[in-house]
Amino acid sequence: DGGITQSPKYLFRKEGQNVTLSCEQNLNHDAMYWYRQDPGQGLRLIYYSQIVNDFQKGDIAEGYSVSREKKESFPLTVTSAQKNPTAFYLCASRTVGHNTEAFFGQGTRLTVV
Amino acid sequence: RKEVEQDPGPFNVPEGATVAFNCTYSNSASQSFFWYRQDCRKEPKLLMSVYSSGNEDGRFTAQLNRASQYISLLIRDSKLSDSATYLCVVNRGGSYIPTFGRGTSLIVHP
Repeated sequence: DGGITQSPKYLFRKEGQNVTLSCEQNLNHDAMYWYRQDPGQGLRLIYYSQIVNDFQKGDIAEGYSVSREKKESFPLTVTSAQKNPTAFYLCASRTVGHNTEAFFGQGTRLTVV
Repeated sequence: RKEVEQDPGPFNVPEGATVAFNCTYSNSASQSFFWYRQDCRKEPKLLMSVYSSGNEDGRFTAQLNRASQYISLLIRDSKLSDSATYLCVVNRGGSYIPTFGRGTSLIVHP
């Protein structure tokens, strides 16, 4: 079955640690996105990539980094510079084009302990 | 002004009721629009795309008003299982980045 897989589902991080969230898709989509969702809030864009080896900052990129070495993979690193990382992180992908919808992974819930 | 705005609700309605949600967007150049449904602690899932001519899928009807820059979602004959958060999504800019409203919470009670 085609889809997007995020791992892990739950992640606990100590203050000062970097952690990496995995996102893999087998939908052959060119565009991939990372969003952050806080309780009672909408999704805010962290980073996006339209093509392999290229990515752009979203609205809240500070304290995060990404890479796009393969079409299928778009990992997100939450660095120690991110002051309030506890949130629900969602990865999405879509076919490039104006009228195509985004498909989501099941999300990673990150908690700082 | 936020790019995509929604009334967060909650909308609390009895089973069988008809309920409507609106969403406004700020970029008049936006080309494509969607409604997603998100259940508690789950990922958003596409409910329906919104076309210029309007579209219907069973009990759900979506409308687009480009002149006033808003889209709407109408749910008829509400079911308990319709309880969820409904997210308005606009693909913005030249890269058509999916941009989300904060969502409208719907609670359907017996």
